[in-house]
Amino acid sequence: EIVMTQSPDSLAVSLGERATITCKSSQSVLFTTNNMNYLAWYQQKPGQPPKLLIHWASTRASGVPDRFSGSGSGTDFTLTISSLQAEDVAVYYCQQYYYPPRTFGQGTKLEIK
Amino acid sequence: EVQLVESGGGLVKPGGSLRLSCAATGFTFDSRNMNWVRLAPGKGLEWVASISDNSIYISYGESVRGRFIISRDNAKGSLYLQMNSLRVEDTAVYYCVREEGSGWFQYWGQGTQVTVSS
Repeated sequence: EIVMTQSPDSLAVSLGERATITCKSSQSVLFTTNNMNYLAWYQQKPGQPPKLLIHWASTRASGVPDRFSGSGSGTDFTLTISSLQAEDVAVYYCQQYYYPPRTFGQGTKLEIK
Repeated sequence: EVQLVESGGGLVKPGGSLRLSCAATGFTFDSRNMNWVRLAPGKGLEWVASISDNSIYISYGESVRGRFIISRDNAKGSLYLQMNSLRVEDTAVYYCVREEGSGWFQYWGQGTQVTVSS
């Protein structure tokens, strides 16, 4: 099983500032045949289901604001929110879909400072 | 519009059984792999089970293997999760999820609460 480890577990950022969450996989999720990273990011607000933000490590899902961006390759990935808005308060998860079982990181709770 | 509506959750005693259902509309159900994912209190997301579009490929998370059974009825546009020998640690919100492309999860239901307690 591929273990996904996020850091930090919680994060407090001022409105308008940058927020950065990292995700590390226990083995590479880069498929060399197509040069794609099998990595997704989700946002979950209290009482709501998770929302897909990014897949293929850096491709924003439809309707996701461009202040959200994903980067990284192989085993190390980053989710960046360029200018934090109040509505971005949530728990964020990374997930690998390179190899079954599909595993999630433990989550990062993002709050306003 | 894609809609996934779960039902069947509730309160059950340890060792009991429960069957969750998910009604899918707004897309061609029999062309999509489907999954169950859960969120336990104070924990993170955990993938539970998946089933391919034609039910040939089925897999389970280690924590539920041998106790839960995933199935689908393509004619009815429905996904199911039969949960047996329930444990306190199975307490969670269970989400019905449509799989996209190579395996990410774009569409989620609102979830159904399962509470296992004596």
